[in-house]
Amino acid sequence: DAKTTQPNSMESNEEEPVHLPCNHSTISGTDYIHWYRQLPSQGPEYVIHGLTSNVNNRMASLAIAEDRKSSTLILHRATLRDAAVYYCILRDRYSGGGADGLTFGKGTHLIIQP
Amino acid sequence: GAVVSQHPSRVICKSGTSVKIECRSLDFQATTMFWYRQFPKQSLMLMATSNEGSKATYEQGVEKDKFLINHASLTLSTLTVTSAHPEDSSFYICSARLSKGTYEQYFGPGTRLTVT
Repeated sequence: DAKTTQPNSMESNEEEPVHLPCNHSTISGTDYIHWYRQLPSQGPEYVIHGLTSNVNNRMASLAIAEDRKSSTLILHRATLRDAAVYYCILRDRYSGGGADGLTFGKGTHLIIQP
Repeated sequence: GAVVSQHPSRVICKSGTSVKIECRSLDFQATTMFWYRQFPKQSLMLMATSNEGSKATYEQGVEKDKFLINHASLTLSTLTVTSAHPEDSSFYICSARLSKGTYEQYFGPGTRLTVT
């Protein structure tokens, strides 16, 4: 899977929007962009994924650059419960039909200030 | 939906003993489950892929005779850490794929293993 680069940490205030960037300059045309997050002492949680178009769900929005070399996870109104490590992961759509495990990088540690 | 459970959540065992960790998909069938390990302040590392009814596939550097994986049904995979040593102390996390055609994985809450 192609590599991703994320800032080590980010800080935001409660009830404000948060934009978490991810660079993936070597992304291939068949790579999906996935985001997971891990709250302290818990297993990771799926957040969102996309291929080319921007995506929205109840948790977040995913904005994908036109050249797909970067993406941004948007939390529209951060709460204290959003404090977690956020991982941006690329997955080849033909990667064993999704049968391969995930390769986690270091992610971004999001700190939310009250 | 798509809930994965693990049992136990925490376990302390003595060096040299074996420990079994269960991973269950509660509301869906999972033909493929994955086992990860996470050391303090580090990211998750994939240990093995568990396929129902067949042998697990281990990542490079993971000893298959030490970490025994059994996936006997579509809702249960087990990881047994045999002859545990203090360096095996870690956070073990399983995940499962919902179905073919979807790519998201659903993770269990993890099992904290401490070997004394």
